[in-house]
Amino acid sequence: DTAVSQTPKYLVTQMGNDKSIKCEQNLGHDTMYWYKQDSKKFLKIMFSYNNKELIINETVPNRFSPKSPDKAHLNLHINSLELGDSAVYFCASRGTAENEQFFGPGTRLTVL
Amino acid sequence: AQSVTQLDSQVPVFEEAPVELRCNYSSSVSVYLFWYVQYPNQGLQLLLKYLSGSTLVKGINGFEAEFNKSQTSFHLRKPSVHISDTAEYFCAVNRPSNDYKLSFGAGTTVTVRA
Repeated sequence: DTAVSQTPKYLVTQMGNDKSIKCEQNLGHDTMYWYKQDSKKFLKIMFSYNNKELIINETVPNRFSPKSPDKAHLNLHINSLELGDSAVYFCASRGTAENEQFFGPGTRLTVL
Repeated sequence: AQSVTQLDSQVPVFEEAPVELRCNYSSSVSVYLFWYVQYPNQGLQLLLKYLSGSTLVKGINGFEAEFNKSQTSFHLRKPSVHISDTAEYFCAVNRPSNDYKLSFGAGTTVTVRA
């Protein structure tokens, strides 16, 4: 069973479009995160949610809107996609009593 | 705020040779330390972590790291590498007061050659 899954794995789209990436974890964790890995492989936190509530927003443009329908899911919706949004997006989750984050396989977004 | 510096962007190494990946961090408060590995076109996998206790930490796949508080370092080592260790390695830190978000170094590309 996959602990943290993301769909889709690859996403190719045109500038100006709106797209969503889905993340699900079956670990029973309360906290979920979105990270962005740029073309130089640098990883940076975007958002953190705890039990469906936004905890961290690292000055991400408001074109990015995370949504957590329940604590097992944290989806990322991106409006008006720009070339600079091209990256690999990773979802991760963490249990309350733990300090280890489990990462999903990533979604490679390419904006043309 | 905390930051992480990985001192080597690329490390070529021959199979069965030892490897050391250097990581330094800066923080005004105590942090927890991690090493993650990313194999080509895959997600991140935890190699090892230091939370407290013994400063020598052993992880998966024969890797170990040593926490040195005075030098604010957390270097990763493996005594004998395999071709399959070819990957990107990330050092990271976090702390409880900011919801354990991970701050990553820029990564070190390890290429193992026969």
